[in-house]
This record gives sequence, C-alpha cells and structure tokens, in this order.
Amino acid sequence: NAGVTQTPKFQVLKTGQSMTLQCAQDMNHNSMYWYRQDPGMGLRLIYYSASEGTTDKGEVPNGYNVSRLNKREFSLRLESAAPSQTSVYFCASSAPPTDTQYFGPGTRLTVL
Amino acid sequence: QQQVKQSPQSLIVQKGGISIINCAYENTAFDYFPWYQQFPGKGPALLIAIRPDVSEKKEGRFTISFNKSAKQFSLHIMDSQPGDSATYFCAAWYNQGGKLIFGQGTELSVKP
Repeated sequence: NAGVTQTPKFQVLKTGQSMTLQCAQDMNHNSMYWYRQDPGMGLRLIYYSASEGTTDKGEVPNGYNVSRLNKREFSLRLESAAPSQTSVYFCASSAPPTDTQYFGPGTRLTVL
Repeated sequence: QQQVKQSPQSLIVQKGGISIINCAYENTAFDYFPWYQQFPGKGPALLIAIRPDVSEKKEGRFTISFNKSAKQFSLHIMDSQPGDSATYFCAAWYNQGGKLIFGQGTELSVKP
C-alpha cells in the first residue's frame, strides 16, 4: 500500500517547455487534487477531480491542464512553462466520510 | 470569502513550552477543520481535526480549540519537543465546493 505516489521528484524546465506531472493513489479514493506550495502562500488548489471523469478548477488553474485518466491516476500538465510556475507541486486524494486528504511526497519544479 | 488566515508565520518555542497557532475564517459554510503537519521535503500529513459541533479536541499533546461564534480555531502543542519542529497548516473544508482551503502555514522551531 504505497498511498499517493508522484513522479518525478525533481524537474528543471526552460521557459516554454511542456511537461506532465504524474500522480497515482492506491486507496480507492474518488477525489483527487493538485496543489502548489509557495513560501508564505500555503497550499493553493490548482485543479481537483471529485470522481473519475470529472475535473474542476481550483484557486490558481491558469497555465495548467489536468486529466483524470482513471480512478487511480490524475495528471497535471504544463503546456508552456513559465518562471512563475516554479513551485513544489503536491497531489492528494480523499474519500468520505472523513474527507481526510492524503498527500504525495511532492514534485519540486524549477522553470528557468 | 473562502480565505483562512493563519498566524504567526513563524514561531520559536523552547523545549517543554506551549506552541500556539491561530486561524480565522469568515465563511460559515466551512464544516470541517483539520490541521496538517509538514516536515521538510515531505508532503503534509493530517495531525488532528475538529468539526464545529465541539469546542475542543485533544489527541495526546495536541489540542484544537474551536470558537464558532468568533470563527476562530487554534492548535496548542503542549510540552513542545524538537521533533515537533515542522510547518503547520490549518485548513477548512468547504462542503459546497468539495475542497479544502489552507491557511498560509506556520513554521515552528522548538529549541532544545
């Protein structure tokens, strides 16, 4: 039982490059989330998926796209990376009744 | 308003002392208030949580105090230990939107 896994752990991109961050969970959770964490800003929700086949925008969706590939996997895509997207990205999943969110280890992304 | 305001931004406490972190919210639609603990290089993990129908919840050295009328809640860490040094996030679950709103985080350092 690995919980929530994320790949890659680290990534350096040049401005304008694209990449996809992968997330998978093995807890049979319906809901999955993508957050970014920046110093002094807490965790800000980028996109979330309440169930397989649905996605919704969070607080900071601009510049990102997501795909809920199946119940286990939820990917985040940067089509044209910008320096403002330098951050640590966390994936999380949850399920009722507690709605406790379980987080992955994060991806540290630097855009030059 | 879907914000959760957290203070202080950083906190230094001597070993054995009490650490207190405060959070405030405005939206009465929030109905679940978790605290997350994050160690460097790791994802946040649920520490303790409370629902608004109780005023206090205690788990070991960690206590949440909840004041519904003031729309405030706080985390108390009794007998703080160096191993408690981490970043702490309060959060509020927005049931109507199905998402968690995080505070800005508090970096706690417990000195030996």
